[in-house]
Amino acid sequence: AQSVAQPEDQVNVAEGNPLTVKCTYSVSGNPYLFWYVQYPNRGLQFLLKYITGDNLVKGSYGFEAEFNKSQTSFHLKKPSALVSDSALYFCAVRDLHASGGSYIPTFGRGTSLIVHP
Amino acid sequence: ETGVTQSPTHLIKTRGQQVTLRCSSQSGHNTVSWYQQALGQGPQFIFQYYREEENGRGNFPPRFSGLQFPNYSSELNVNALELDDSALYLCASSLFGGSGANVLTFGAGSRLTVL
Repeated sequence: AQSVAQPEDQVNVAEGNPLTVKCTYSVSGNPYLFWYVQYPNRGLQFLLKYITGDNLVKGSYGFEAEFNKSQTSFHLKKPSALVSDSALYFCAVRDLHASGGSYIPTFGRGTSLIVHP
Repeated sequence: ETGVTQSPTHLIKTRGQQVTLRCSSQSGHNTVSWYQQALGQGPQFIFQYYREEENGRGNFPPRFSGLQFPNYSSELNVNALELDDSALYLCASSLFGGSGANVLTFGAGSRLTVL
């Protein structure tokens, strides 16, 4: 079984400050991890993914995420937040050993990021 | 390259009615999956289609059914609508197989309200 938790419903940060959106996961094997962003009245857009290799993954719009196997976490980060980053952020996990090749991801509940001017 | 398009964008139904939602996959993608996103929740997997057959299903009753067509477009059908079916329904396309790290490309969704 696979699951993902986003412990914060909302994160508030001032523009220009660093931001972190937290995600922890649980899988039986090795995970594939993803971050997606959802703007109002839009579908989810891919930001970045971790497959293997470097624990720090760089993605779109200046976002990055750090994979920590010992803490089973994959926190999303950005050094300097923009007001336009305000959106819903979803973490997702796929178990590498999921059967059938269907690789169905499990999404977290989402975290609302609000960046204040 | 075209993205994923869904129709209709909004619709209102009453309990007991049936609804059909449609999705056109991104060019080059051969797999389509459907998700239900209730207000304040993350997307919940309904099912996935590949080669016109269902090859994965989440915890949804049989009144949720789907089709995938030869051009990889898809339909989601929901029978006997219930109030709890009110949600944003998201379609996502991807390329089947490989490492499993394939990225999902989502449409903007169809917002269903059941009265």
